[in-house]
Amino acid sequence: AQSVSQHNHHVILSEAASLELGCNYSYGGTVNLFWYVQYPGQHLQLLLKYFSGDPLVKGIKGFEAEFIKSKFSFNLRKPSVQWSDTAEYFCAVANQAGTALIFGKGTTLSVSS
Amino acid sequence: DAMVIQNPRYQVTQFGKPVTLSCSQTLNHNVMYWYQQKSSQAPKLLFHYYDKDFNNEADTPDNFQSRRPNTSFCFLDIRSPGLGDAAMYLCATGSPFAYEQYFGPGTRLTVT
Repeated sequence: AQSVSQHNHHVILSEAASLELGCNYSYGGTVNLFWYVQYPGQHLQLLLKYFSGDPLVKGIKGFEAEFIKSKFSFNLRKPSVQWSDTAEYFCAVANQAGTALIFGKGTTLSVSS
Repeated sequence: DAMVIQNPRYQVTQFGKPVTLSCSQTLNHNVMYWYQQKSSQAPKLLFHYYDKDFNNEADTPDNFQSRRPNTSFCFLDIRSPGLGDAAMYLCATGSPFAYEQYFGPGTRLTVT
């Protein structure tokens, strides 16, 4: 069965620090990968997605992620975080049938100003 | 704005008392999903509808049922809530094979 692992449970950064959140998935075939963000009190929103093509994908709010097939990884990055990036971040992979998303446990990012 | 709406945002029910959570969408998506998310855990898919076809996940308890009377609405029924069913329930929509899902704000269920 497919699974997603997020290495960091809680990350604490100061504003302007660089961010990298780890995500590994288990499936070795064609994958469709996502990062979702949940700001406090708000619903899950799509940050970015990878289906095919350029393995470096750019999303909203200055976030990007790199798909490295050999490492089964899809890490999320941002060069300089802001206080408003404080949120829960979820990595997800679509199941083989394309009917569901399998989520990681999430990483809580706290950014201090 | 097209969106996914969930009502109520907060629901308190008593142990064993049936409860229904509601989801509606203006995106006209074929697929609607229900997820359960407990504190500090990943959202877990309970079931989904592809149009009128109901698809239950193998490990979803029988206590959880769903109805989709039309494209726009989908309901989650918990027949006899237990304390362990306290969670955030997320509704999402999507198009077939588009993979991307659009989430509602969730309903936080408390069982007393």
